[in-house]
Order: sequence, then structure tokens, then C-alpha cells
Amino acid sequence: EDQVTQSPEALRLQEGESSSLNCSYTVSGLRGLFWYRQDPGKGPEFLFTLYSAGEEKEKERLKATLTKKESFLHITAPKPEDSATYLCAVQGGGAQKLVFGQGTRLTINP
Amino acid sequence: GAGVSQSPSNKVTEKGKDVELRCDPISGHTALYWYRQSLGQGLEFLIYFQGNSAPDKSGLPSDRFSAERTGGSVSTLTIQRTQQEDSAVYLCASSSDSRSGNTIYFGEGSWLTVV
Repeated sequence: EDQVTQSPEALRLQEGESSSLNCSYTVSGLRGLFWYRQDPGKGPEFLFTLYSAGEEKEKERLKATLTKKESFLHITAPKPEDSATYLCAVQGGGAQKLVFGQGTRLTINP
Repeated sequence: GAGVSQSPSNKVTEKGKDVELRCDPISGHTALYWYRQSLGQGLEFLIYFQGNSAPDKSGLPSDRFSAERTGGSVSTLTIQRTQQEDSAVYLCASSSDSRSGNTIYFGEGSWLTVV
């Protein structure tokens, strides 16, 4: 059964303090690893899809990387507006559904 | 429309009543998903539709839950005889086809409270 574990559960940073969020996964035949951002009271907003180990993608202050066992979401010099819950999900094998982790709640203090 | 549209945004219902939640996917998207998110929890898969194929119902938690998709577009999730543990946000998502790794876009959700 596909599984996703995200750590830490919550992370509080000062504005400008860079850090990384972790997503560890087990999946039978990875077809895609997805990162979403979710603000309170909103639906998940798509950020990145990674398909194979070694792949990296960037968007503004965010960079996502992928290995065979985990993915990292690096946030560089974050701003308060980056505060949100970040969700990781995998799509594997013959299934079309995404399996999600519990998310990391990120707070950036000014 | 520009995005996945869900209605109602909020629904408060009495225990034992039936509710229907509606999802209008992005125009042209053939794949449609329903997920449930309880307070402070991750997303739980419920059901997946792709074109005219038989839906993947493997995530439906009980026979009180059902969903249909008419004309390959709009979908309705029905919860019969609601219970308090059904209180959650119900999220709909769509993607352009069934190819693996295709981007899946979510709506804003329907917040269900059972009292």
C-alpha cells in the first residue's frame, strides 16, 4: 500500500530563515510526486509535479527535489505570505488516485 | 469555468438527513476525484471517475456514500443518513485525462457540518 509521511508536522520560522520540509514515501512504481499548498479554508493549490529521482523544480522561493525515497521542499528566504500547510502526495502503480501525507503547517513570522 | 466549482460552500444538516454535494470540473477534464478532509487531517480518497469507465469506489467509507457523474461532466456526492463523523470538508478535483502524473486541480471544497 502506498504511504506518505511528512515531517515536521509544524514549523515556525522567522522571515528570511531558510529551511526544508520532508516527504518520505513508499510506492509501487512511482508515476508522480505532487506538492500542494493549502491556505486555511481553501482547497489545495498545485505547486509541483516530480516524476523521477534527481529531478528538481523551482517556483519563486520554493524548490522541490526528489530521490527514490523522499522529496524535499526547500524554502529560501521565506516571507509571511508563504505561511500555509504544504501537502505532499504520490501517484503510483496502476492507480490514478493521489495518496496524501498529513501535511506540514508552516508559519513565517515577520 | 476557470476552475473546479463546488456547491454548496457550506452545509449544516441534522443527523440522519441526506445531503448532496455538487462538483463542476474544469471544462474538458475527463478525470474527476472526490476527497474528504477532516479537521486537521490529510486528504482521504473517496472515489474517482474517468470518462465512461466504471468508477473506482474503493475509498467510499460506507454504503451511505455514493457518487455519480452525469454526461461525463458534473458530479454529485450523496451522503445518506448523515452522522456526526461525516462532518468534514469534501474536496473535488479534476484533471485533463487519466495519464499518470497529470496535474490534478482542486476546488475550494464543501464544508459539511452534521449537528
